[in-house]
Amino acid sequence: GQNIDQPTEMTATEGAIVQINCTYQTSGFNGLFWYQQHAGEAPTFLSYNVLDGLEEKGRFSSFLSRSKGYSYLLLKELQMKDSASYLCAGGLYTDKLIFGTGTRLQVFP
Amino acid sequence: DAGVTQSPTHLIKTRGQQVTLRCSPKSGHDTVSWYQQALGQGPQFIFQYYEEEERQRGNFPDRFSGHQFPNYSSELNVNALLLGDSALYLCASSLDSQGDQPQHFGDGTRLSIL
Repeated sequence: GQNIDQPTEMTATEGAIVQINCTYQTSGFNGLFWYQQHAGEAPTFLSYNVLDGLEEKGRFSSFLSRSKGYSYLLLKELQMKDSASYLCAGGLYTDKLIFGTGTRLQVFP
Repeated sequence: DAGVTQSPTHLIKTRGQQVTLRCSPKSGHDTVSWYQQALGQGPQFIFQYYEEEERQRGNFPDRFSGHQFPNYSSELNVNALLLGDSALYLCASSLDSQGDQPQHFGDGTRLSIL
């Protein structure tokens, strides 16, 4: 089967670092994607990993371990505007995305 | 360079009616996927179109159908609307790939069923 798990909610303080974990049990995943979604808006692509390891993109980094079925999104120097839902999604070889339910991050001053 | 565009933005229908949602993919993209997102949930895959054909389908009833045109734009049709069809409908476009290319989403159509 295909399943993606991530925490429902997280809180953090402005300027801090937060790590959002994602675990998956599936066959046929070729890439692991992270999207940001503000309330009432569409998901915005943040990063993706096809190979194991860390991908860095400004304040955002994403990590993948295929052998462990594990990924995380790291957000540094948190800003108030980072308050949003963060969606972990697996990309199947068939080019279909399987999403988790999303992690709602609240950043406090 | 225009991104993915969807219309309409909002729509209100009553049970039993039919609805058509439209999507234009990002320039250069040839694959269009449709997703349904209920409140507080992640998007759920409905189906995907490539070369004007439905290439794969998620766990949605036949009331959900679609079409892709030669210019790669796409439509999602839903017949016999139910209250449970109320959701944000997202269109995503990408280059044909094997799950290793990001999909880019439009702003969505928020469908409310009364």
